[in-house]
Amino acid sequence: GAVVSQHPSRVICKSGTSVKIECRSLDFQATTMFWYRQFPKQSLMLMATSNEGSKATYEQGVEKDKFLINHASLTLSTLTVTSAHPEDSSFYICSASLAGSGELFFGEGSRLTVL
Amino acid sequence: SQQGEEDPQALSIQEGENATMNCSYKTSINNLQWYRQNSGRGLVHLILIRSNEREKHSGRLRVTLDTSKKSSSLLITASRAADTASYFCATYNNNDMRFGAGTRLTVKP
Repeated sequence: GAVVSQHPSRVICKSGTSVKIECRSLDFQATTMFWYRQFPKQSLMLMATSNEGSKATYEQGVEKDKFLINHASLTLSTLTVTSAHPEDSSFYICSASLAGSGELFFGEGSRLTVL
Repeated sequence: SQQGEEDPQALSIQEGENATMNCSYKTSINNLQWYRQNSGRGLVHLILIRSNEREKHSGRLRVTLDTSKKSSSLLITASRAADTASYFCATYNNNDMRFGAGTRLTVKP
């Protein structure tokens, strides 16, 4: 099946710094990628939908200036958490859509801890 | 936002018993998928059922879909301790996937 790689898998940073998370589709081109956030013992919440070459579409309540999403190529989307605060600590998961399959393929997730 | 609800929120059974989890959703779908997630780990795709299908099997897994009731169920037969995990349903519609709240399954050896 299609493989999505996410990096880094874990990151610890100080409050106020910015953190970038990469999501790559390794063996297919993904015109659309999705970013989810998952707090402990909760479900995945869609943050934004990222389309290659255009601006991301953010879900209600997600600050676009805080969570910068760039989808510059058909195999790479990045999520940058700017000026991170402890409340941003969470598990961030990306997924990529394989055109025509009706399926999304998920990365392994990135656990962000903001001290 | 989330698509729907799952019940039960938590389920504890003995090894060898069957586990049934239910998922309800609100909008029309292209397909519905079930995922497993071990604590602190990524998602494992279990099974996909399309909107025109009513039942699907994969090993010890059986999934049903009732589009008239906007509900789905996941049955795990002959459960094992290794099945202990959180299980999520996710609805897919026009390149948009939303997750249910999840069921935390504990299988006691």
